[in-house]
Amino acid sequence: GDSVTQMEGPVTLSEEAFLTINCTYTATGYPSLFWYVQYPGEGLQLLLKATKADDKGSNKGFEATYRKETTSFHLEKGSVQVSDSAVYFCAQLPNTGFQKLVFGTGTRLLVSP
Amino acid sequence: DVKVTQSSRYLVKRTGEKVFLECVQDMDHENMFWYRQDPGLGLRLIYFSYDVKMKEKGDIPEGYSVSREKKERFSLILESASTNQTSMYLCASSPTGQGESQPQHFGDGTRLSIL
Repeated sequence: GDSVTQMEGPVTLSEEAFLTINCTYTATGYPSLFWYVQYPGEGLQLLLKATKADDKGSNKGFEATYRKETTSFHLEKGSVQVSDSAVYFCAQLPNTGFQKLVFGTGTRLLVSP
Repeated sequence: DVKVTQSSRYLVKRTGEKVFLECVQDMDHENMFWYRQDPGLGLRLIYFSYDVKMKEKGDIPEGYSVSREKKERFSLILESASTNQTSMYLCASSPTGQGESQPQHFGDGTRLSIL
């Protein structure tokens, strides 16, 4: 069935370091792909999305490119801040049938000053 | 902006109680969802609804039921609460896609403890 695999955390970085959080998916078709972020004590917020191959989603300095050939959607940011500390979820939305999101297990990012 | 409001941020109940979690969205979305979030397991879908009075089981419906009498409101019911239902519960809504997959919008969650 459809699934999403994320790298296990926590990912611990110093402020201004480069961030990569890996995400790969398995799907029968060509899903839309999302990154959600969950700050402490809050619900999930949509961070960025991509709906077709080679699309690049971007927001708040974060980027991710839909790579069909490697079935990946890795999240990157050039210079992280302490305020980026949160849990990041990769998700896919199949483009057929009812639109149910399939989530990865989440990756916690901890950024220290 | 879309607003999804969950009635309680924190809730403590006792084993065997009937528990109601309420969720309201203000954007006239057709679809609504209930998830639970547990460490190491990510988000798991309990139930969802694509229209008023319609409901579908998600991946882990056992021990839960739902109610959707109005389009804006989606209630999750724990018929007889048990300690293994202690968790964070998240509600979400989304519009029906029109040529493009529509993201889900989430509430802030209800942290439920069953003693």
